[in-house]
Amino acid sequence: EIVLTQSPGTLSLSPGERATLSCRASQSVSSSYLAWYQQKPGQAPRLLIYGASSRATGIPDRFSGSGSGTDFTLTISRLEPEDFAVYYCQQYGSSPRGTFGQGTKVEIK
Amino acid sequence: EVQLVESGGGLVQPGRSLRLSCAASGFTFDDYAMHWVRQAPGKGLEWVSGISWNSGSIGYADSVKGRFTISRDNAKNSLYLQMNSLRAEDTALYYCAKGVGSSLVLYYFDYWGQGTLVTVSS
Repeated sequence: EIVLTQSPGTLSLSPGERATLSCRASQSVSSSYLAWYQQKPGQAPRLLIYGASSRATGIPDRFSGSGSGTDFTLTISRLEPEDFAVYYCQQYGSSPRGTFGQGTKVEIK
Repeated sequence: EVQLVESGGGLVQPGRSLRLSCAASGFTFDDYAMHWVRQAPGKGLEWVSGISWNSGSIGYADSVKGRFTISRDNAKNSLYLQMNSLRAEDTALYYCAKGVGSSLVLYYFDYWGQGTLVTVSS
């Protein structure tokens, strides 16, 4: 069974800074089938990235995804005030499909 | 505009049943797989179940297999989740989510509803 581990648990940064979030899988993720979501308090998750590096519709280009195999990264090049949220990675290539990581909270320093 | 509106949540005793509904609009419902994803209070996301466009392929998380049943009515643009033998650990906000294709091959979700809260407690 594939397990996703996100790090760090919390990232404290200031607006304008660069955020680097990690998602590590316990085994290789098939075909880079990895997605990233953003969730703000009281809101539903929003798809940011799919296929490890493809931005979803309407997602600003300050969000980028990279990685393959077992190591994946979500980078926010310059944090905007609206980017402070919880971010989840999700793999959808291996059984059990649809597994999420535990989340990384990006908070204002 | 894609809209997914869940309903049917509430407070229910352990061992009882509940049926959730999701009304979809703004897209061709029967072109896409649909899913349920839940989030326990203060916790992360857990995929619960998914169904292909024609109900020909269905999947469940191990945690709900044998207790929950997903279904859809394409004529009504609606998705359902029948939840039986509910447990305290099923307490969560249940989201309806749109898949990105017609089959269950790709389990990621491009649109989500706002969720309906299910609380299982005596």
